[in-house]
Amino acid sequence: GQSLEQPSEVTAVEGAIVQINCTYQTSGFYGLSWYQQHDGGAPTFLSYNALDGLEETGRFSSFLSRSDSYGYLLLQELQMKDSASYFCAVRDSGAGSYQLTFGKGTKLSVIP
Amino acid sequence: GAVVSQHPSWVICKSGTSVKIECRSLDFQATTMFWYRQFPKQSLMLMATSNEGSKATYEQGVEKDKFLINHASLTLSTLTVTSAHPEDSSFYICSAREWLRGTGGYTFGSGTRLTVV
Repeated sequence: GQSLEQPSEVTAVEGAIVQINCTYQTSGFYGLSWYQQHDGGAPTFLSYNALDGLEETGRFSSFLSRSDSYGYLLLQELQMKDSASYFCAVRDSGAGSYQLTFGKGTKLSVIP
Repeated sequence: GAVVSQHPSWVICKSGTSVKIECRSLDFQATTMFWYRQFPKQSLMLMATSNEGSKATYEQGVEKDKFLINHASLTLSTLTVTSAHPEDSSFYICSAREWLRGTGGYTFGSGTRLTVV
């Protein structure tokens, strides 16, 4: 089976930097993704790491270490609109269809 | 980029009735679509994997006779909640797989909020 662990809640100040960690256990691994979800909305894709290292997309960066089964999402220059839930997800092979399994999500609250 | 259109965005139905949710890939062919359910303040839980032209694969604990999935074409998958009950009230989201470089290949619909009264 698959399991992912991430903190349930994080609070950070506007303009600061926050890191959301994710550790995973999976029988097969084809990449770690991050999604953002605002209350009442659908998940939107943020970042994907298939290989070790850092991927940067604007204010968001994501890191992966496959040997440690660990990744993180880094949000810089936090804005109030970044308040949302963030999910890490692993892609593994289930029934040959490469399913996504999601973590429980981290609720980020950005305060003034 | 890839777009997945899901509708309705919200629906209210009476207990015992059936509701159909549609998920369309607009500019790509989706041989595989995934249906998720999300209860308030919880994560997305995979319900089933839908493959075009074949039977859906359901996750453990998901009743296939209650949640009917049809994936008759490469751009359309439907989820029908049959004989809905209040406990089926949830946020249902579809996702389609397309091999886009750097995205991990998944695009999500906008979700359907189902309320059974």
